[in-house]
Amino acid sequence: EAQVTQNPRYLITVTGKKLTVTCSQNMNHEYMSWYRQDPGLGLRQIYYSMNVEVTDKGDVPEGYKVSRKEKRNFPLILESPSPNQTSLYFCASSLSPSGETQYFGPGTRLLVL
Amino acid sequence: AQSVTQLGSHVSVSEGALVLLRCNYSSSVPPYLFWYVQYPNQGLQLLLKYTSAATLVKGINGFEAEFKKSETSFHLTKPSAHMSDAAEYFCAVSEKAGTYKYIFGTGTRLKVLA
Repeated sequence: EAQVTQNPRYLITVTGKKLTVTCSQNMNHEYMSWYRQDPGLGLRQIYYSMNVEVTDKGDVPEGYKVSRKEKRNFPLILESPSPNQTSLYFCASSLSPSGETQYFGPGTRLLVL
Repeated sequence: AQSVTQLGSHVSVSEGALVLLRCNYSSSVPPYLFWYVQYPNQGLQLLLKYTSAATLVKGINGFEAEFKKSETSFHLTKPSAHMSDAAEYFCAVSEKAGTYKYIFGTGTRLKVLA
Protein backbone atom coordinates (compact mmCIF):
# COMPACT_ATOMS: atom_id res chain seq x y z
CA GLU A 1 0.00 0.00 0.00
CA ALA A 2 1.32 3.44 -0.99
CA GLN A 3 1.72 5.49 2.13
CA VAL A 4 3.60 8.03 4.21
CA THR A 5 4.32 6.91 7.75
CA GLN A 6 5.32 9.02 10.73
CA ASN A 7 6.57 8.02 14.15
CA PRO A 8 5.76 8.59 16.87
CA ARG A 9 2.12 9.61 16.52
CA TYR A 10 2.02 11.26 19.93
CA LEU A 11 4.90 12.66 21.96
CA ILE A 12 5.14 14.51 25.24
CA THR A 13 8.56 15.90 26.09
CA VAL A 14 10.23 18.60 28.14
CA THR A 15 11.95 21.78 27.08
CA GLY A 16 15.46 21.22 25.77
CA LYS A 17 15.31 17.45 25.29
CA LYS A 18 16.32 16.63 21.72
CA LEU A 19 13.83 14.63 19.71
CA THR A 20 13.41 13.23 16.21
CA VAL A 21 10.19 12.56 14.34
CA THR A 22 10.66 10.06 11.55
CA CYS A 23 8.95 10.16 8.17
CA SER A 24 9.10 7.49 5.50
CA GLN A 25 7.41 7.07 2.12
CA ASN A 26 7.27 4.00 -0.12
CA MET A 27 6.31 5.71 -3.39
CA ASN A 28 9.79 6.67 -4.62
CA HIS A 29 8.81 10.33 -4.41
CA GLU A 30 11.42 13.02 -4.98
CA TYR A 31 9.78 15.80 -2.97
CA MET A 32 9.21 15.58 0.77
CA SER A 33 8.09 18.22 3.18
CA TRP A 34 7.32 18.94 6.83
CA TYR A 35 4.46 21.11 8.04
CA ARG A 36 3.12 22.23 11.34
CA GLN A 37 -0.58 22.82 11.88
CA ASP A 38 -1.78 25.27 14.49
CA PRO A 39 -5.36 26.47 15.10
CA GLY A 40 -6.20 29.50 12.99
CA LEU A 41 -2.89 29.38 11.14
CA GLY A 42 -3.47 26.46 8.80
CA LEU A 43 -0.44 24.47 7.68
CA ARG A 44 2.91 26.16 7.53
CA GLN A 45 5.85 24.61 5.74
CA ILE A 46 8.93 24.03 7.90
CA TYR A 47 11.40 22.45 5.49
CA TYR A 48 11.23 20.68 2.18
CA SER A 49 13.53 18.46 0.16
CA MET A 50 13.65 18.15 -3.59
CA ASN A 51 15.80 15.03 -3.56
CA VAL A 52 18.52 13.25 -1.62
CA GLU A 53 20.89 15.74 0.04
CA VAL A 54 18.84 18.71 -1.26
CA THR A 55 16.84 20.56 1.36
CA ASP A 56 15.57 24.11 1.78
CA LYS A 57 13.76 26.23 4.31
CA GLY A 58 10.05 26.74 4.29
CA ASP A 59 8.31 29.60 6.04
CA VAL A 60 8.94 28.56 9.66
CA PRO A 61 12.31 26.75 9.87
CA GLU A 62 13.59 28.24 13.14
CA GLY A 63 14.27 25.59 15.77
CA TYR A 64 14.11 22.66 13.35
CA LYS A 65 16.59 20.61 11.36
CA VAL A 66 16.12 18.03 8.64
CA SER A 67 18.22 15.63 6.62
CA ARG A 68 17.63 13.59 3.49
CA LYS A 69 20.23 10.86 3.28
CA GLU A 70 17.93 8.36 1.59
CA LYS A 71 15.11 9.04 -0.82
CA ARG A 72 12.45 7.39 1.33
CA ASN A 73 13.26 9.03 4.68
CA PHE A 74 13.01 12.64 5.84
CA PRO A 75 13.37 12.98 9.62
CA LEU A 76 12.52 16.18 11.48
CA ILE A 77 14.87 17.04 14.34
CA LEU A 78 14.16 19.39 17.22
CA GLU A 79 17.54 19.92 18.88
CA SER A 80 16.21 21.91 21.83
CA PRO A 81 12.41 21.90 21.83
CA SER A 82 10.51 24.79 23.36
CA PRO A 83 6.83 25.10 24.32
CA ASN A 84 6.09 27.18 21.22
CA GLN A 85 6.88 24.09 19.15
CA THR A 86 3.86 22.31 20.62
CA SER A 87 1.87 21.54 17.51
CA LEU A 88 0.54 18.92 15.10
CA TYR A 89 3.19 17.95 12.55
CA PHE A 90 2.63 16.46 9.13
CA CYS A 91 5.07 14.93 6.71
CA ALA A 92 4.13 14.83 3.03
CA SER A 93 5.62 13.62 -0.23
CA SER A 94 5.00 14.09 -3.93
CA LEU A 95 6.41 12.75 -7.15
CA SER A 96 8.10 16.02 -8.06
CA PRO A 97 8.46 19.50 -6.55
CA SER A 98 5.89 21.38 -8.55
CA GLY A 99 2.30 20.79 -9.50
CA GLU A 100 1.99 17.33 -8.06
CA THR A 101 -0.37 15.98 -5.42
CA GLN A 102 1.11 15.77 -1.96
CA TYR A 103 0.43 12.65 0.08
CA PHE A 104 0.26 13.25 3.78
CA GLY A 105 1.20 11.15 6.75
CA PRO A 106 -1.22 10.70 9.67
CA GLY A 107 0.40 13.41 11.79
CA THR A 108 2.45 13.61 14.98
CA ARG A 109 1.01 15.48 17.92
CA LEU A 110 3.80 17.02 20.00
CA LEU A 111 3.49 18.59 23.42
CA VAL A 112 6.54 20.36 24.84
CA LEU A 113 6.29 21.11 28.57
CA ALA B 1 5.77 36.61 -1.71
CA GLN B 2 3.10 34.13 -2.59
CA SER B 3 0.08 34.06 -0.27
CA VAL B 4 -3.30 32.36 -0.05
CA THR B 5 -6.41 33.83 1.55
CA GLN B 6 -9.41 31.77 2.56
CA LEU B 7 -12.39 33.93 3.49
CA GLY B 8 -14.40 32.53 6.36
CA SER B 9 -12.78 30.26 8.91
CA HIS B 10 -16.15 28.62 9.57
CA VAL B 11 -18.97 28.01 7.10
CA SER B 12 -22.31 26.37 7.90
CA VAL B 13 -24.72 25.05 5.29
CA SER B 14 -27.85 22.95 5.43
CA GLU B 15 -27.78 19.44 4.04
CA GLY B 16 -28.64 19.65 0.35
CA ALA B 17 -27.60 23.30 0.03
CA LEU B 18 -24.83 24.72 -2.13
CA VAL B 19 -21.34 24.69 -0.68
CA LEU B 20 -19.07 27.62 -1.59
CA LEU B 21 -15.62 27.94 -0.02
CA ARG B 22 -13.52 30.88 -1.14
CA CYS B 23 -9.83 31.00 -1.99
CA ASN B 24 -7.79 33.86 -3.42
CA TYR B 25 -4.11 33.79 -4.21
CA SER B 26 -1.57 36.52 -4.78
CA SER B 27 0.88 35.96 -7.58
CA SER B 28 1.74 37.72 -10.81
CA VAL B 29 2.13 34.33 -12.47
CA PRO B 30 -0.76 31.89 -11.94
CA PRO B 31 0.54 29.11 -9.73
CA TYR B 32 -0.55 25.54 -9.36
CA LEU B 33 -3.64 25.49 -7.13
CA PHE B 34 -4.98 22.76 -4.89
CA TRP B 35 -7.83 22.03 -2.53
CA TYR B 36 -7.24 19.53 0.26
CA VAL B 37 -9.69 18.15 2.81
CA GLN B 38 -8.95 17.10 6.37
CA TYR B 39 -11.39 14.90 8.25
CA PRO B 40 -11.16 14.84 12.05
CA ASN B 41 -7.98 13.26 13.37
CA GLN B 42 -6.66 12.50 9.91
CA GLY B 43 -4.07 13.82 7.49
CA LEU B 44 -4.94 15.82 4.42
CA GLN B 45 -6.09 14.35 1.13
CA LEU B 46 -6.40 15.95 -2.26
CA LEU B 47 -9.82 17.03 -3.49
CA LEU B 48 -8.73 18.57 -6.78
CA LYS B 49 -5.97 20.58 -8.44
CA TYR B 50 -5.47 23.12 -11.21
CA THR B 51 -2.32 22.80 -13.28
CA SER B 52 -3.15 25.11 -16.24
CA ALA B 53 -5.34 22.79 -18.25
CA ALA B 54 -9.12 23.33 -18.04
CA THR B 55 -10.15 26.22 -15.79
CA LEU B 56 -13.07 24.24 -14.35
CA VAL B 57 -11.66 21.38 -12.37
CA LYS B 58 -13.68 18.45 -11.10
CA GLY B 59 -12.59 16.58 -8.04
CA ILE B 60 -13.70 13.78 -5.79
CA ASN B 61 -16.99 13.58 -3.88
CA GLY B 62 -18.79 15.94 -6.27
CA PHE B 63 -16.59 18.97 -5.62
CA GLU B 64 -15.36 21.30 -8.32
CA ALA B 65 -13.42 24.55 -8.51
CA GLU B 66 -13.03 27.23 -11.13
CA PHE B 67 -9.77 29.05 -11.77
CA LYS B 68 -10.39 32.74 -12.54
CA LYS B 69 -7.20 34.55 -13.42
CA SER B 70 -8.83 37.99 -13.53
CA GLU B 71 -10.05 37.55 -9.95
CA THR B 72 -7.02 35.53 -8.74
CA SER B 73 -9.52 33.09 -7.29
CA PHE B 74 -10.02 29.35 -7.06
CA HIS B 75 -13.29 28.89 -5.17
CA LEU B 76 -14.52 25.41 -4.26
CA THR B 77 -18.15 24.45 -4.81
CA LYS B 78 -20.48 21.50 -4.43
CA PRO B 79 -24.12 21.72 -5.57
CA SER B 80 -25.60 19.74 -2.68
CA ALA B 81 -23.97 19.32 0.72
CA HIS B 82 -23.96 15.98 2.46
CA MET B 83 -23.40 15.35 6.15
CA SER B 84 -20.19 13.51 5.29
CA ASP B 85 -18.73 16.74 3.81
CA ALA B 86 -18.21 18.16 7.29
CA ALA B 87 -14.45 18.67 7.51
CA GLU B 88 -11.76 21.31 7.24
CA TYR B 89 -10.81 22.46 3.75
CA PHE B 90 -7.49 23.97 2.75
CA CYS B 91 -6.54 25.85 -0.37
CA ALA B 92 -2.87 25.66 -1.34
CA VAL B 93 -0.53 26.95 -4.03
CA SER B 94 2.84 25.96 -5.38
CA GLU B 95 4.83 28.06 -7.76
CA LYS B 96 5.59 27.03 -11.30
CA ALA B 97 9.09 28.43 -11.10
CA GLY B 98 11.47 29.73 -8.51
CA THR B 99 11.18 28.22 -5.07
CA TYR B 100 9.41 24.96 -4.50
CA LYS B 101 7.54 26.13 -1.44
CA TYR B 102 4.01 25.04 -0.80
CA ILE B 103 1.74 27.68 0.73
CA PHE B 104 -1.50 26.75 2.49
CA GLY B 105 -4.40 28.94 3.46
CA THR B 106 -5.61 29.05 7.04
CA GLY B 107 -8.46 26.64 6.35
CA THR B 108 -12.27 26.73 6.38
CA ARG B 109 -14.19 24.43 8.66
CA LEU B 110 -17.41 23.31 7.01
CA LYS B 111 -20.37 22.37 9.16
CA VAL B 112 -23.37 20.66 7.57
CA LEU B 113 -26.68 21.06 9.36
CA ALA B 114 -29.37 18.40 9.22
